[in-house]
Amino acid sequence: EIVMTQSPATLSVSPGDTVTLSCRASQSVSSNLAWYQQKPGQAPRLLIFGASARATGFPANFSGSGSGTEFTLTISSLQSADFAVYYCQQYNNWPYTFGQGTKLEIK
Amino acid sequence: QVQLQESGPRLVKPAETLSLTCTVSGGSINNYYWSWIRQSPGKGLEWIGYIYYSGTTNYNPSLKSRVTISLDTSRNQFSLKLSTMTAADTAMYYCARHQPGRPYFDPWGQGTLVTVSS
Repeated sequence: EIVMTQSPATLSVSPGDTVTLSCRASQSVSSNLAWYQQKPGQAPRLLIFGASARATGFPANFSGSGSGTEFTLTISSLQSADFAVYYCQQYNNWPYTFGQGTKLEIK
Repeated sequence: QVQLQESGPRLVKPAETLSLTCTVSGGSINNYYWSWIRQSPGKGLEWIGYIYYSGTTNYNPSLKSRVTISLDTSRNQFSLKLSTMTAADTAMYYCARHQPGRPYFDPWGQGTLVTVSS
């Protein structure tokens, strides 16, 4: 099973900041990496697929990059609606696995 | 657009079998993969397994011995059975869809919290 490790666990930032979230795979997953956004009381929502393609409904201030074992999600000009938990998921190998999440909180 | 809705008991006794159903509205079951995913504070997000509209299934090896996912195309529903439930199975259970060749999940149901307790 591929283990996905996200860092940091929590990030305290201010509106308007730019943040970079990290996701590392225990072995190469090529570009088969997705990111999800989860707000309290809601299901995760697909944000990024193919490591860098934005899902419908998310603006251009969200961007993903990386391949192999190292991936990043960058959110620029943070808005209040962006404070949430972000998860990465690999879909290169069964079983599909998720990271433990990074929580963005308001400083 | 397609919407998914989980239904089933919220409380299950230890050693019993959990049965959940996901109803798909606004679209067809055909040509997609349908997954169950759970989320608990201890284990985070865990993919349980999927069923393809053709009936092909694939389960997480960690749960394979206890999981059955089935399909009812006439009702646009798919179901999860998880046997021999323990407290460790207490979690939010989600159903979700993915496309062939694109196993990332979109959309998700709103989830249903299942508690295992006597």
